[in-house]
Amino acid sequence: AQSVTQPDIHITVSEGASLELRCNYSYGATPYLFWYVQSPGQGLQLLLKYFSGDTLVQGIKGFEAEFKRSQSSFNLRKPSVHWSDAAEYFCAVGPSGGYNKLIFGAGTRLAVHP
Amino acid sequence: EAGVTQFPSHSVIEKGQTVTLRCDPISGHDNLYWYRRVMGKEIKFLLHFVKESKQDESGMPNNRFLAERTGGTYSTLKVQPAELEDSGVYFCASSPQQGIYGYTFGSGTRLTVV
Repeated sequence: AQSVTQPDIHITVSEGASLELRCNYSYGATPYLFWYVQSPGQGLQLLLKYFSGDTLVQGIKGFEAEFKRSQSSFNLRKPSVHWSDAAEYFCAVGPSGGYNKLIFGAGTRLAVHP
Repeated sequence: EAGVTQFPSHSVIEKGQTVTLRCDPISGHDNLYWYRRVMGKEIKFLLHFVKESKQDESGMPNNRFLAERTGGTYSTLKVQPAELEDSGVYFCASSPQQGIYGYTFGSGTRLTVV
């Protein structure tokens, strides 16, 4: 079955520390991969996406993610976290080929301590 | 351009009542999607419209849910009668073309059934 696992429900980091949010997926074909962020009162905002090519993907707000096919992972990283990064982060997969349905993980809530 | 607009932002209703959620997509976006997040779990796909037609409604949980998109513009999602397990956040997204390249999400409607 197709699924996305985000093992960490909550993560707390200090401002300025590095961050890695984990995402593992189970998918029968080559997936398209996404990270979204939801800040309080806001909609889901796309941070970055991977379709093909370079497995290290740069996104907005200083985030990056690395696709590792052998590990079925697409972990999100940021070298130095800002207080404004406190939000909930969602990993998602979708089928290649232009279909429409995204499969999301349960989300990781990030808290940032000053 | 205006984003995807959803209203109400919050709704609290009693079990057995009816609630109608509305989504206004970005103007010109033919594709409209509904997703739902229940109680901190995964965000799950409900259905997809292309203009006024339902392209995929495989995620609709049961026949208490009715989605419409009159004239291919805004969409409504009606829950009748509401049950406790319907509580959650309902997200709408739109895109200008089929595929998952250009999803824009709204900020969601938080539905609480008491």
